[in-house]
Amino acid sequence: GAVVSQHPSRVICKSGTSVKIECRSLDFQATTMFWYRQFPKQSLMLMATSNEGSKATYEQGVEKDKFLINHASLTLSTLTVTSAHPEDSSFYICSARVVSGGRNEQFFGPGTRLTVL
Amino acid sequence: LAKTTQPISMDSYEGQEVNITCSHNNIATNDYITWYQQFPSQGPRFIIQGYKTKVTNEVASLFIPADRKSSTLSLPRVSLSDTAVYYCLVGSPYNQGGKLIFGQGTELSVKP
Repeated sequence: GAVVSQHPSRVICKSGTSVKIECRSLDFQATTMFWYRQFPKQSLMLMATSNEGSKATYEQGVEKDKFLINHASLTLSTLTVTSAHPEDSSFYICSARVVSGGRNEQFFGPGTRLTVL
Repeated sequence: LAKTTQPISMDSYEGQEVNITCSHNNIATNDYITWYQQFPSQGPRFIIQGYKTKVTNEVASLFIPADRKSSTLSLPRVSLSDTAVYYCLVGSPYNQGGKLIFGQGTELSVKP
């Protein structure tokens, strides 16, 4: 299947700093990518839909000014957590959508563990 | 987006067949049914996708009745490495940009 990578795999930062997470589709182009957040022992929560060349669409309750998303190319989307605080510590996962003949497959990255001290 | 309901947890033993059923009463005409597997601290991994009847691949089978209001993931002869959380999702690339909303998933524990 299609391969999606994330960088970094884990990051530790101080409170108040900003952290950028990259999501890349390695062997295919993705016009749409998604960003999720997962807290321990919980399911994935969709944060936003990232569309190449346009503004991201955020889910209700997700602060767009805090979680900046840029989908500058067909293979790269970035999530920047601005002014991170300990409550932003979580597992962030991206996915890239492949549409073929009506099928709706999403391929997920390995995730990024963010710890804010 | 159609909501899905799955058992929270299931236990099994190595070598057994495991069937996980998911209900999705509000599934739309264009929606596909997709199952993912997730290990701790990893991204979900695609298992299988179907629209109706039966789909089989090298790792699982997916059974979908005619009314499509439920689906059953069948894992043949599970091993310890199949211990994971399994998510059932429904969605369509033509509905809300193809986004998928994860439910609580089923935590499968395979014992020796």
